[in-house]
Amino acid sequence: KAGVTQTPRYLIKTRGQQVTLSCSPISGHRSVSWYQQTPGQGLQFLFEYFSETQRNKGNFPGRFSGRQFSNSRSEMNVSTLELGDSALYLCASSLDPTTTTNEQFFGPGTRLTVL
Amino acid sequence: GDSVTQMEGPVTLSEEAFLTINCTYTATGYPSLFWYVQYPGEGLQLLLKATKADDKGSNKGFEATYRKETTSFHLEKGSVQVSDSAVYFCALSALTSGTYKYIFGTGTRLKVLA
Repeated sequence: KAGVTQTPRYLIKTRGQQVTLSCSPISGHRSVSWYQQTPGQGLQFLFEYFSETQRNKGNFPGRFSGRQFSNSRSEMNVSTLELGDSALYLCASSLDPTTTTNEQFFGPGTRLTVL
Repeated sequence: GDSVTQMEGPVTLSEEAFLTINCTYTATGYPSLFWYVQYPGEGLQLLLKATKADDKGSNKGFEATYRKETTSFHLEKGSVQVSDSAVYFCALSALTSGTYKYIFGTGTRLKVLA
């Protein structure tokens, strides 16, 4: 079974631009979560989607948005990029988010650099 | 609110040394507890988990016991190898205000020297 895939793997943008990152979950998984990882802040939760609906949202400004499609693939968008948005963006999928025993399966991440 | 606190790194050990990475949590209800590992250039992967009090999760020589009385889930390994060098994340999953949430600690970097 293929793992979680994220595209692109690396991205370089300039301040003020916008960016869209893509995540394809493991087949059969309907939940997708997004995280931002930086050396200073660690792993920070962005949002979670389940069956095309946003279920949870972290404490990020409105410049960060996401969506999920009917095939469970998800995209996240960051508008008006700032230098501080430089980070590794990780996507994780899970089979059943309605239980606490749920394991999350992570993709390799998209490394975003904002110049 | 629910939270996970783990020891700050980096932790540097010699090969074959004993490893302990401390993790404590705060949660209402009955969370499940996890350890994830992130190798360089990769995403996180599940190392082990425990879903109720006194459960012991184990995998690849690593162990952690769910201690409800001390709200802890410390990661241990008897003899580390260079290949164990990675970042380790403690996490919990809990039902909070009617929503299932996953919360990660800040991660502890382990470096094992040959």
